[in-house]
Amino acid sequence: AQSVTQPDIHITVSEGASLELRCNYSYGATPYLFWYVQSPGQGLQLLLKYFSGDTLVQGIKGFEAEFKRSQSSFNLRKPSVHWSDAAEYFCAVGITGNQFYFGTGTSLTVIP
Amino acid sequence: DTAVSQTPKYLVTQMGNDKSIKCEQNLGHDTMYWYKQDSKKFLKIMFSYNNKELIINETVPNRFSPKSPDKAHLNLHINSLELGDSAVYFCASSLEGWSEKLFFGSGTQLSVL
Repeated sequence: AQSVTQPDIHITVSEGASLELRCNYSYGATPYLFWYVQSPGQGLQLLLKYFSGDTLVQGIKGFEAEFKRSQSSFNLRKPSVHWSDAAEYFCAVGITGNQFYFGTGTSLTVIP
Repeated sequence: DTAVSQTPKYLVTQMGNDKSIKCEQNLGHDTMYWYKQDSKKFLKIMFSYNNKELIINETVPNRFSPKSPDKAHLNLHINSLELGDSAVYFCASSLEGWSEKLFFGSGTQLSVL
């Protein structure tokens, strides 16, 4: 079945540490790939997206993501996490037409 | 100045009631959406709508209906509310389809008692 998977339900990192959030998809073709962030009590905000070209994508708030076709992955990274990064992170994939799906989300806790 | 605004922010009601959630976007976008986020944070698309077509997720009960008086508004009507309808409902919009950036409202927390 086609799907987008975020294997980590919850991640805790120390402030200043590096971060990597995993996202895997299972579709026949390369989908369009997105990362959204949801701060507590808020709607989602787009961090970055990948359609084609350079597989390393830069986003807002110091985030980047790398598309790896061989691994069907689009992992989100940040070199140094800030306390304000604590939020829910959603990977999303779009195929064609109306096929657009969010992953199940990864909750990030940042400890001082 | 809020790009996508939805009201009310909180809605508490009894089973069997009919309620509406309003959504307005001032971005000039062509496509609007309603998403349901359950207690496990899972996001499910309910509807997408532009001035050309309404796409309904077939798993959404017909007690839910979107109403769009104009391009800037997409309201959500829910009839005969059930306990399982309790969730956070998000309105969103985009310039044209999901390939463009989705702008989300801040959500409506619906509690059905």
